[in-house]
Amino acid sequence: DAKTTQPPSMDCAEGRAANLPCNHSTISGNEYVYWYRQIHSQGPQYIIHGLKNNETNEMASLIITEDRKSSTLILPHATLRDTAVYYCIVRAPENSGGSNYKLTFGKGTLLTVNP
Amino acid sequence: GAGVSQSPSNKVTEKGKDVELRCDPISGHTALYWYRQSLGQGLEFLIYFQGNSAPDKSGLPSDRFSAERTGGSVSTLTIQRTQQEDSAVYLCASSAFETQYFGPGTRLLVL
Repeated sequence: DAKTTQPPSMDCAEGRAANLPCNHSTISGNEYVYWYRQIHSQGPQYIIHGLKNNETNEMASLIITEDRKSSTLILPHATLRDTAVYYCIVRAPENSGGSNYKLTFGKGTLLTVNP
Repeated sequence: GAGVSQSPSNKVTEKGKDVELRCDPISGHTALYWYRQSLGQGLEFLIYFQGNSAPDKSGLPSDRFSAERTGGSVSTLTIQRTQQEDSAVYLCASSAFETQYFGPGTRLLVL
């Protein structure tokens, strides 16, 4: 069951902000939004996560709508090395029961940063 | 600090042979996870360790697959009598508090 919906691909010019959307309209109250990316032939790389407040770290910003049904990952100044598949994942805390320790990766968004 | 490391980075084997894949988690991480990514496919969960115990082995594809973790640290994924459909990238991740950090993976090719 797909919990998130992302566009299959996006393009961005180098130096510009990349805004990657994600819809998660069925998100539960205790589920966090996680973002990972996978550069070709590498393992997934953790980027950022949040529950309801906007979050920022050295890699990116995460903007979550007030109703929590969608979010946007922002790479403020995209570089060629940011070309990757970006995955948006919703997951409840591991101690909330069930199999919440599993990360379920969808197809993600292939972001291509162009020179 | 050091991230998750996996070895070997690449492995080519013949059908029917056994292989062992190793994962060294981030120091202090109590949870460890194995996933598999076949060519052009998404990540498939295999097994999860909390300490040395594996509460969930349900993702292991068949009884040819097994995994163990010793000392709450290193984990080994063993595939016996490899088949061509076992060809994939095997990824290991570890976590201390919820966030999983992945290693670079082992690329397995079964000829």
